[in-house]
This record gives sequence, C-alpha cells and structure tokens, in this order.
Amino acid sequence: DAKTTQPTSMDCAEGRAANLPCNHSTISGNEYVYWYRQIHSQGPQYIIHGLKNNETNEMASLIITEDRKSSTLILPHATLRDTAVYYCIVRLQYNNNDMRFGAGTRLTVKP
Amino acid sequence: KAGVTQTPRYLIKTRGQQVTLSCSPISGHRSVSWYQQTPGQGLQFLFEYFSETQRNKGNFPGRFSGRQFSNSRSEMNVSTLELGDSALYLCASSLASGYEQFFGPGTRLTVL
Repeated sequence: DAKTTQPTSMDCAEGRAANLPCNHSTISGNEYVYWYRQIHSQGPQYIIHGLKNNETNEMASLIITEDRKSSTLILPHATLRDTAVYYCIVRLQYNNNDMRFGAGTRLTVKP
Repeated sequence: KAGVTQTPRYLIKTRGQQVTLSCSPISGHRSVSWYQQTPGQGLQFLFEYFSETQRNKGNFPGRFSGRQFSNSRSEMNVSTLELGDSALYLCASSLASGYEQFFGPGTRLTVL
C-alpha cells in the first residue's frame, strides 16, 4: 500500500516551474522520499531522492518539510517532454527494492 | 553505459500457456526487481533477486516465479496464463538492494 498522497493531475505552462506536491504524513525516521516519472508506455525513470535535507540534481529539486510529512518536487523550467506521470514513493533505503507506487500525478506541460 | 534491456518487448499468448520474460541489468548491477503494471492496479512489485537469491516477494500467486543467473541476468516465468495477467512487465536493476532502481522499457504481455 502506497504511503503517499498526490494530486491526480496538474497542468504547467512550458518554461515555467512545475511544483508537484506529495503528502507522506506517516513517514518514519529512516524512510526516504523517492521520485520517479513515467512517460507514456516507457519504464519509470528515477528523478531524485532525499531523507530530510533538500536535494538538487540536473533534473529537479526536492524540498522536504522540516517535519518530513510532505515534500515538493520542482522542475525548474518545464518542457513538453516533461509531460508524464510523477510518482512519489516512501521507502527504506538499504533494505529492499519493494517500492510501493501509488497512482501518481499526471503532469501535463502545455505550450 | 547501456541501460536495462528486456526481451521480448511484445508478446501474445493464450490462456493456459506459460511465458518466460528476460531482463539484462545495467553492467555492474547485482539486484534485479520485477514489477507488473496494469491500468487497474498500477505498478505492483513482484519480486527481487540479488546474487541469485530471491530477497523479497510481492503478493502474487505461485504461478509467478523468477530466477537470477550468475551474470545477474534475470528471467521471470508465468505459468497457466490468465486473462488478468495481461500487463506491462517491468524489470529494474540497481547496484544492490535499496539503491536507486533503473527500469527497462518493459515487456507488454497480452493474454487472449
């Protein structure tokens, strides 16, 4: 069972920042927040993960609230190719690979 | 570095048959996990193999099985196929258990 709650869908204008929220109010202290995305009919693509500090890589930034009960994935300059379903996942690292995907957020980037 | 490859990409079978799907992980990755994706149930974890041993298993019937070879390549088998087994089967590899998983393109299985 997924331990996260995400909006079903969101729209974003091309070139603008896309901010995707995720609630994980039951997260425990040693669980990480992972983000993946899936472009239609392809395998999910790893984006970023974090424990409690904000993280940034070449694809996105991850902002985790101080109480760790929610997070936001930020795509700084969304392009049409960022249209996908985005999954927020809570998991134990260094434990196992059983990732519980929820329904995710369908992000549509519009020109 | 080559990504995760899965073969075949598409497969059509009939009820009662069995099927074997193959996954080649990223070079150096020792953990392989399998997932099933359907419109109704979404992405569901099937099982994980590390060093030729099954480490974890999801909530699927015994008709679903897998194995991993010494070169980390993995196969999954579904016996006595049912219509509900029609799905996209995804393989993911990682350096070891718990690390970021990198997914292949999937095998789309259709059971008629």
